[in-house]
Amino acid sequence: GAGVSQTPSNKVTEKGKYVELRCDPISGHTALYWYRQSLGQGPEFLIYFQGTGAADDSGLPNDRFFAVRPEGSVSTLKIQRTERGDSAVYLCASSPGGTGVTQLGETQYFGPGTRLLVL
Amino acid sequence: AQKVTQAQTEISVVEKEDVTLDCVYETRDTTYYLFWYKQPPSGELVFLIRRNSFDEQNEISGRYSWNFQKSTSSFNFTITASQVVDSAVYFCALFMNTGFQKLVFGTGTRLLVSP
Repeated sequence: GAGVSQTPSNKVTEKGKYVELRCDPISGHTALYWYRQSLGQGPEFLIYFQGTGAADDSGLPNDRFFAVRPEGSVSTLKIQRTERGDSAVYLCASSPGGTGVTQLGETQYFGPGTRLLVL
Repeated sequence: AQKVTQAQTEISVVEKEDVTLDCVYETRDTTYYLFWYKQPPSGELVFLIRRNSFDEQNEISGRYSWNFQKSTSSFNFTITASQVVDSAVYFCALFMNTGFQKLVFGTGTRLLVSP
């Protein structure tokens, strides 16, 4: 079946602008995650959704970052007043999202990422 | 604190050589999960293996093998008879069993396999 898809693949914007990054998870996966990967680093957690709700947003760096998942499928990561330091690859992942013990340590499947460049 | 250390920044080998990528982790959890992902030049993270803390059996999948040792908090990855297509950045990751689902990644090891 289809994997995780992300659009756009590349986004160039100017400092101070607003951007939206979209993630379409694997069909049937209820858990969705956003990570950010800076050059030469491993991905860093931003936010986790279980269904429509953000179960853990502890990784969002500040209040300029916000994410939604209104229908429990597609998610949008929104960045306001972009700064040059926001330039990175934004990765989305999904997992089946079982309940209780079955949810622990589920394999997360990643999309190709959106490369954001803030000029 | 949960932490993953991949001390090898970059490794260069010649095709058909065996290579081992090191991963050392820190966690206070008794139940945890470890992962390896491959990131080829295209950028997409490709899942390779998942291992839970109660299963210390080594695993082999084709040319890939993994050595999990709780005594040294290590989860090393060996590629036998490396090929050019193995060139990529490899990440080791630890699942935080805090009721949430976040992965903590190491900084990755870039493997360059030359013909």
